Amino acid sequence: EAGVTQSPTHLIKTRGQQATLRCSPISGHTSVYWYQQALGLGLQFLLWYDEGEERNRGNFPPRFSGRQFPNYSSELNVNALELEDSALYLCASRKPGATDTQYFGPGTRLTVL
Amino acid sequence: AQSVTQLDSHVSVSEGTPVLLRCNYSSSYSPSLFWYVQHPNKGLQLLLKYTSAATLVKGINGFEAEFKKSETSFHLTKPSAHMSDAAEYFCVVSDFFGNEKLTFGTGTRLTIIP
Repeated sequence: EAGVTQSPTHLIKTRGQQATLRCSPISGHTSVYWYQQALGLGLQFLLWYDEGEERNRGNFPPRFSGRQFPNYSSELNVNALELEDSALYLCASRKPGATDTQYFGPGTRLTVL
Repeated sequence: AQSVTQLDSHVSVSEGTPVLLRCNYSSSYSPSLFWYVQHPNKGLQLLLKYTSAATLVKGINGFEAEFKKSETSFHLTKPSAHMSDAAEYFCVVSDFFGNEKLTFGTGTRLTIIP
């Protein structure tokens, strides 16, 4: 069974540009979560999508947004990039069920110059 | 609100000696607790999880953790460290339903001394 996949592996942008990160969940998983792992800030929850709907978001500005497609894959968009957006962005997926586990992808390393 | 505190930011042990990584949690509900491991430049891998079944949880690679409600602790142990165990370890708490966000501890970097 294939794990969570993310693309691209690395992404380099300049300030003010937009970045798009993609995530494909494990087959059968309907929930997708996005986390940011920035240096010195630890792992922080960004967004949760389930069945195509945004269910919850963390303390991030509106320029962080995303969506979930009918095949349950997801996209994270970051507009008006700032230097402090440089981080590892991790995607996780979870299958339907009350107490199941989130499985993580390898991450996309975003560097903003 | 829920939170986790990893009591040590860095732990060094010699190869072949026991490993103890400490974690205390705070949760308004019956928590689900996890330990994840992150090797350099890699994503997160689940080591083990506790979801109100047995209080001693066995995970992969010889790791185990014991849920102690009276001490609000969920420490991770391994009897004998291996060089491949060198990594960052995260203690994580979720609410009872496990369908919300995960709250991560700040991580413990484990170094193995040859």
